[in-house]
Amino acid sequence: ETGVTQSPTHLIKTRGQQVTLRCSSQSGHNTVSWYQQALGQGPQFIFQYYREEENGRGNFPPRFSGLQFPNYSSELNVNALELDDSALYLCASSLQSTGGEHGYTFGSGTRLTVV
Amino acid sequence: TQLLEQSPQFLSIQEGENLTVYCNSSSVFSSLQWYRQEPGEGPVLLVTVVTGGEVKKLKRLTFQFGDARKDSSLHITAAQPGDTGLYLCAGTSGTYKYIFGTGTRLKVLA
Repeated sequence: ETGVTQSPTHLIKTRGQQVTLRCSSQSGHNTVSWYQQALGQGPQFIFQYYREEENGRGNFPPRFSGLQFPNYSSELNVNALELDDSALYLCASSLQSTGGEHGYTFGSGTRLTVV
Repeated sequence: TQLLEQSPQFLSIQEGENLTVYCNSSSVFSSLQWYRQEPGEGPVLLVTVVTGGEVKKLKRLTFQFGDARKDSSLHITAAQPGDTGLYLCAGTSGTYKYIFGTGTRLKVLA
């Protein structure tokens, strides 16, 4: 079975620009969660998608938005980038919203740098 | 707001030593997971614990879930350089998301 694939792996953007990050979920998984991990910190929950609908959201502003497609792949969009948005963005797929016994399968992440 | 605090934040030990990492919260979790993350990679699941007082072993790693399901510990016996990484605990109260702890960065020196 394939794992979770994220693209691009690295990205440099200028403050005020917009960015789209992509995630292909593990085969058979219908739920995708996005996390932001600042340097030296644990991941912070952004939002989760289940069957193409947003299933829950963390404490992030509306300029963070997402999509899930019929094949369960997902996108994270961030508008009006700020310097503090610089972080590792992780996508995690699972078969159910809480991950269950098998937990989340994480991708390797996209390292976003905002200058 | 649910928070998970891990201690210690950093740990540098010699190969062969034992260590314990703690994950504490004032909130009750329905389940808790431990992950290990290496540089440039996403976290990889090590174990899930769901029952208060539960103990699980994974080779040299022993995981325990507190009786009240508010805390957990990870004990590594005879640490090896391959155990080096960032250890993260993550808990859920049964909703859609996992709350991650602050992380413990472990370095095992050969």
